[in-house]
Amino acid sequence: GDSVTQMEGPVTLSEEAFLTINCTYTATGYPSLFWYVQYPGEGLQLLLKATKADDKGSNKGFEATYRKETTSFHLEKGSVQVSDSAVYFCALKDVGGSEKLVFGKGTKLTVNP
Amino acid sequence: EAQVTQNPRYLITVTGKKLTVTCSQNMNHEYMSWYRQDPGLGLRQIYYSMNVEVTDKGDVPEGYKVSRKEKRNFPLILESPSPNQTSLYFCASTPGTSLYEQYFGPGTRLTVT
Repeated sequence: GDSVTQMEGPVTLSEEAFLTINCTYTATGYPSLFWYVQYPGEGLQLLLKATKADDKGSNKGFEATYRKETTSFHLEKGSVQVSDSAVYFCALKDVGGSEKLVFGKGTKLTVNP
Repeated sequence: EAQVTQNPRYLITVTGKKLTVTCSQNMNHEYMSWYRQDPGLGLRQIYYSMNVEVTDKGDVPEGYKVSRKEKRNFPLILESPSPNQTSLYFCASTPGTSLYEQYFGPGTRLTVT
């Protein structure tokens, strides 16, 4: 079945550091790919998405590119802030069928001032 | 404001005492889903509904029931809760195609003693 593997955390960075969180997927067909963010005590919010190969999703300084050849959707940010501290989830959505989101296990990011 | 609401947000109960967690969305979305979030496991889908009166099992349906009598509501029912159902539960909705994000509720933290 479909699956998502993302780098295990926790990740601790200093403010203004470069962030990469790796995400790879296994899926039949051509899924849509998402990054969700969960701030402490809150529900999940969509951070960015890409629906086809070579698409780049971007939001709030975060970027991720849908790489079909490497089945990857790595999340990057050039300069993190303390307010970026959260848990980040990579997810895929099957085309058709159950519309289910398949999540990675999440990566906790802590940014220190 | 477009949103998914869940009630209650926090619940402590005892083994075997039936409970219902409500979920409501005001976006006229066809598709709704329940997930549970557990440390180290990410989010896993419990049940989903493609439309009114159409529901189906997700990956971890044992011990749960759902119903979809109206488009906006999708309650999660635990008829005889057990301690292994202690978890953080999220309801989500989407217009229903793979291209669209899922909108998540704020979560319900359930503890079964």
